[in-house]
Amino acid sequence: GQNIDQPTEMTATEGAIVQINCTYQTSGFNGLFWYQQHAGEAPTFLSYNVLDGLEEKGRFSSFLSRSKGYSYLLLKELQMKDSASYLCAVMDSNYQLIWGAGTKLIIKP
Amino acid sequence: ETGVTQTPRHLVMGMTNKKSLKCEQHLGHNAMYWYKQSAKKPLELMFVYNFKEQTENNSVPSRFSPECPNSSHLFLHLHTLQPEDSALYLCASSQGVEVTGELFFGEGSRLTVL
Repeated sequence: GQNIDQPTEMTATEGAIVQINCTYQTSGFNGLFWYQQHAGEAPTFLSYNVLDGLEEKGRFSSFLSRSKGYSYLLLKELQMKDSASYLCAVMDSNYQLIWGAGTKLIIKP
Repeated sequence: ETGVTQTPRHLVMGMTNKKSLKCEQHLGHNAMYWYKQSAKKPLELMFVYNFKEQTENNSVPSRFSPECPNSSHLFLHLHTLQPEDSALYLCASSQGVEVTGELFFGEGSRLTVL
């Protein structure tokens, strides 16, 4: 079956760096997405990786290794507003999105 | 503001009630989706519409009935629901169903079934 694994919850300190991991097993691969969802709000797109390597976008970076079925989202210079759930999703060969259960990130002062 | 608007934001209904959720997108997208989000579970895809035609129905119980009158509007009609149907129902849109573009989500309708 198809599966996405990510930690349920992580805690980090304001100003620090945190890495949220995502591993996947899917039928084919057409890219990996990261979304951010604040409590009570819509999930919003953060990044898309389809080739191996690191994509940097401001304080956020996303890494992909297709051979290892692995991705991570790196958040630098953490701010209180980064407290949210981070959803990892993989698009399989049929263009279906397979979702992880999300990682709740708690930022402490 | 994501360009996808859902109403109502909160809904409480009894098991014998009939209600509807509404979604509207202002992005000119061709595909619209209904997802169910339960605590600590992955998003569950319920229905997909592409150019107003239903292309996906992931074994959703018949007490959930979708309607897509045009590419901008999507409804989810609810009747004789069960308490386990309590969840956040998210609407999303995208440019198409077989493209690798991102999804744009609404803020969701929080449903509580008593």
